[in-house]
Amino acid sequence: ETGVTQTPRHLVMGMTNKKSLKCEQHLGHNAMYWYKQSAKKPLELMFVYSLEERVENNSVPSRFSPECPNSSHLFLHLHTLQPEDSALYLCASSQDLDGGIGSYNEQFFGPGTRLTVL
Amino acid sequence: KQEVTQIPAALSVPEGENLVLNCSFTDSAIYNLQWFRQDPGKGLTSLLLIQSSQREQTSGRLNASLDKSSGRSTLYIAASQPGDSATYLCAVRLTAGTSGSRLTFGEGTQLTVNP
Repeated sequence: ETGVTQTPRHLVMGMTNKKSLKCEQHLGHNAMYWYKQSAKKPLELMFVYSLEERVENNSVPSRFSPECPNSSHLFLHLHTLQPEDSALYLCASSQDLDGGIGSYNEQFFGPGTRLTVL
Repeated sequence: KQEVTQIPAALSVPEGENLVLNCSFTDSAIYNLQWFRQDPGKGLTSLLLIQSSQREQTSGRLNASLDKSSGRSTLYIAASQPGDSATYLCAVRLTAGTSGSRLTFGEGTQLTVNP
């Protein structure tokens, strides 16, 4: 596997279910991100991790719980979701958050998990 | 608050045509700007990244320009092909630092190239 992978690719869950999304990056990056893409809306940043430490939580409801056990893996634990949480959830990684002068810190994205909440 | 706007929202052109996609942003204090391509139901593929100190970047048939002072970027696609059909997203990153890790995205331009 190369780049950024996400599993599962598709997930259907009820509002009372608990599930987890997984992201893995094979790029040796130190920063990882969760984004949400809803229909007809721009991508929204949810969480940012740097060296396994959460550095940003963009006012995300507590029913979304991220976990970063190491710099290669990022999880998004889901429970008691609402139908409006149905969206494409994208994971991304970059070398660092702030590489300083001359650093591009380009973000590389995974294929996403299409989540449907019934 | 940074806002990113992409015009047009949708574009349909015949194969072989040269085209320009537009992106504008409200806060000119950006670190860099990225153009992405997204195929239906898929993730994002980075096309070009322009640092704030640069004016343009080129990759094959793609050329992206940046005018930071006016808050604008354009993506030029030469000799368009049906395989170019996708949604093109523009994203800006604010000045360096922890908070600068945030990418602010536009809503995208949905491009259809007809054979």
